[in-house]
Amino acid sequence: DAGVTQSPTHLIKTRGQHVTLRCSPISGHKSVSWYQQVLGQGPQFIFQYYEKEERGRGNFPDRFSARQFPNYSSELNVNALLLGDSALYLCASSLTGTGGEKLFFGSGTQLSVL
Amino acid sequence: GENVEQHPSTLSVQEGDSAVIKCTYSDSASNYFPWYKQELGKRPQLIIDIRSNVGEKKDQRIAVTLNKTAKHFSLHITETQPEDSAVYFCAAFWGGGGGNKLTFGTGTQLKVEL
Repeated sequence: DAGVTQSPTHLIKTRGQHVTLRCSPISGHKSVSWYQQVLGQGPQFIFQYYEKEERGRGNFPDRFSARQFPNYSSELNVNALLLGDSALYLCASSLTGTGGEKLFFGSGTQLSVL
Repeated sequence: GENVEQHPSTLSVQEGDSAVIKCTYSDSASNYFPWYKQELGKRPQLIIDIRSNVGEKKDQRIAVTLNKTAKHFSLHITETQPEDSAVYFCAAFWGGGGGNKLTFGTGTQLKVEL
């Protein structure tokens, strides 16, 4: 039984470039959330999607965007990369995306911006 | 919104001793409190969670307590083993705002020494 899968595992970009990160939730889960984890800190909420609709957005600039596809997989896009965007980007899935539900995380994409 | 504080930032114990990690939250409307364990380079793994209608929950060597009046919750690990060494994150779900966004603490690096 596959868990949350993310790709790629590592990525190196330069400032100003654009990046797309991908996530497939646990089979049967319909909600996907994205979190950013800077080294030495806890994950910070970026987006949540359920049934292709945005259900929540964290305090991140408009350079960050996401979408969810009919098969419940999701993409996170970041434009005009800054050095400060270097972080581990985690995807989490849950059954229905409602409050108090267990969240299961993927192993993340480590993004380095040079 | 919600704010979660976590202490201590590092904790070193001898194998077999107990470890306690404490978190406080700011919003009394928060009602779900999970704990995650993250080993170096790996995904955050849900180890135990508690809801606001329960004061204590135990799972083998791990227990979590919740004091709603004081707005704090704690993770207790008994009979610690070297494989318990990891970073532990507490989190809180705040019910106002929709979705299932979690607010995380800053993490506790637990080291279990032989």
